[in-house]
Formats: sequence, C-alpha cells, structure tokens
Amino acid sequence: SAVISQKPSRDICQRGTSLTIQCQVDSQVTMMFWYRQQPGQSLTLIATANQGSEATYESGFVIDKFPISRPNLTFSTLTVSNMSPEDSSIYLCSVMTGEAFFGQGTRLTVV
Amino acid sequence: TQLLEQSPQFLSIQEGENLTVYCNSSSVFSSLQWYRQEPGEGPVLLVTVVTGGEVKKLKRLTFQFGDARKDSSLHITAAQPGDTGLYLCAGEGDSSYKLIFGSGTRLLVRP
Repeated sequence: SAVISQKPSRDICQRGTSLTIQCQVDSQVTMMFWYRQQPGQSLTLIATANQGSEATYESGFVIDKFPISRPNLTFSTLTVSNMSPEDSSIYLCSVMTGEAFFGQGTRLTVV
Repeated sequence: TQLLEQSPQFLSIQEGENLTVYCNSSSVFSSLQWYRQEPGEGPVLLVTVVTGGEVKKLKRLTFQFGDARKDSSLHITAAQPGDTGLYLCAGEGDSSYKLIFGSGTRLLVRP
C-alpha cells in the first residue's frame, strides 16, 4: 500500500498566476501520476513523472502549462501555470503498486 | 485508443433498492479495477477482476468480468446511503504502467 499526502487541499487563485501542488509518498516509487478531474466526473491523466528524467505528457497537455518536478523517489510537484478559469478543477497525484493509490486531491478555483 | 464507457452516468435511488453499473469497451483488458470516490477524497480500490467470466463479491457488491474481458458490471444489492459516491472502472492501457479510467457513474442513495 501507499499513503500519499497532497497539498494544498484547495486554493482560490487569480487568473494569470501559477500554483504549485505538492505530493509526498510514504515509500519510494518509480512513477508518479498526475490527474485532472472535474467534480463528479472521471479522471484524465495529465502526465507521468519519472525520477531523473522529464515527465511524459498525455495528448492535450504540455510542459509549459503543467511543469512537473520529480527530485526524488518520494516527491513530486505539479505547477499549473498562467491560470485561467478553465483550469478550475481537482488535481490528483497517484502511484501504482498493483492498484492505484491517490492523494486527497487539490480543488483549484481560478477567478 | 482504448476507452471505457460507463452507464448510467448518474443514478438516484431509494435506500434498499438494487442497481447495476456497467463498464464497456471495444478493447480487451488484461484486468479491470473498480474504484469508489467520495467527495474530497481520492478514489479507493474496491476490487480487481482478472479472469474472463470471473465473479467477485464484496458484501453487498458483486463484480463480474465479461467472458471476452471487454466489459464488467457492478451490482449493488439493497443499497444504503453509505454507498453514495462516484464509481469508476479502470483498466491498464496499452502501456501497462498507467490506468485508463471509465467515464464514471455518480450514485446517490436517498434514505
């Protein structure tokens, strides 16, 4: 199993600013995953964060908008850059060890 | 592209009623997982089905994997308000290190 601490749990941000979300895992994992979720809807994978290399982004997501850091095997950050109201969503980090474990999510509102 | 479609999208039922949620794809999956997510939390794994035709029971929840491993169902007997949440099926994609999530089913059980 894995326990994931994600912060902040929520934030309200001004458009044009950036927010960095942190994700800490209680064990070493090779890959960490970042998802976006509209309330009540399914999860969309943004990117896979690998330690020691650049993140792998899914179609429709780019590094300039969602830069990711992965400095070690237990920690990752996702930055939502130059935010607009369309970026308002829930952002979740996840790891897979047979099953997927998730952080509690960050509810972002851009005004 | 592998897709998982869930139906219904939303279900509102009275306590004590039975319900079934479906997860369908045109692609074959080596396994499928079912998650439940409550507001403000990340999804939590309920079950993994691996063998075509497999049936697994978890108290009042019964999960079935289709013979062709393209579909799955979740049946809840005598639903309770505590069953309320977002139900998500998920399968490993072509790249086995990441999950593809279904479109989600929001369940509301009224007392």
